[in-house]
Amino acid sequence: EAGVTQFPSHSVIEKGQTVTLRCDPISGHDNLYWYRRVMGKEIKFLLHFVKESKQDESGMPNNRFLAERTGGTYSTLKVQPAELEDSGVYFCASSQGRLLSGRGNEQFFGPGTRLTVL
Amino acid sequence: KNQVEQSPQSLIILEGKNCTLQCNYTVSPFSNLRWYKQDTGRGPVSLTIMTFSENTKSNGRYTATLDADTKQSSLHITASQLSDSASYICVVSGSWAGNNRKLIWGLGTSLGVNP
Repeated sequence: EAGVTQFPSHSVIEKGQTVTLRCDPISGHDNLYWYRRVMGKEIKFLLHFVKESKQDESGMPNNRFLAERTGGTYSTLKVQPAELEDSGVYFCASSQGRLLSGRGNEQFFGPGTRLTVL
Repeated sequence: KNQVEQSPQSLIILEGKNCTLQCNYTVSPFSNLRWYKQDTGRGPVSLTIMTFSENTKSNGRYTATLDADTKQSSLHITASQLSDSASYICVVSGSWAGNNRKLIWGLGTSLGVNP
């Protein structure tokens, strides 16, 4: 069974340009999460989809970031316009059930997209 | 403030040796603690998950311990292999039900295993 896939693996763009990252979760996983790791910092949560609905988007930095999950399958994360501080590795994860308190449902991570804004 | 601190920041050991990585947290109220392994260029992969009532959890050569009273955890790697070279990240979850932003991530310990 294929794991979580992300595209592209790397992206280098100039400040002010637009970039769209894609995540394909594990088939059948209703829950999809986006995370970001900025160099030298810890991984931080961005948002959580349950099927096509945004369950929690409290981690989104600002309105330059737009995430979608049309049809509840793959998701895209668009950054428009990109700024220097947006550089980092963007991870996507999926889980079958919702992450609850206690043991929770396991999240499976993709390899990440390394975004560099020049 | 909810924080997770890991030590050492980096570590190099010889193949076959054991090592122990530390994690201290201030997350409250506590729900569970996870250790992830992240290979270069890959996403994190879960090694262990422990709740408040669990003191130790093993996964092959990886053994995690948890002291909820002192808010400390350790990950012990036995008989290290070259493939153990990776970043090991401690993640603590608060007991705020269903809220993913409460996964507090540490910076990780970068482990290098040399032949």
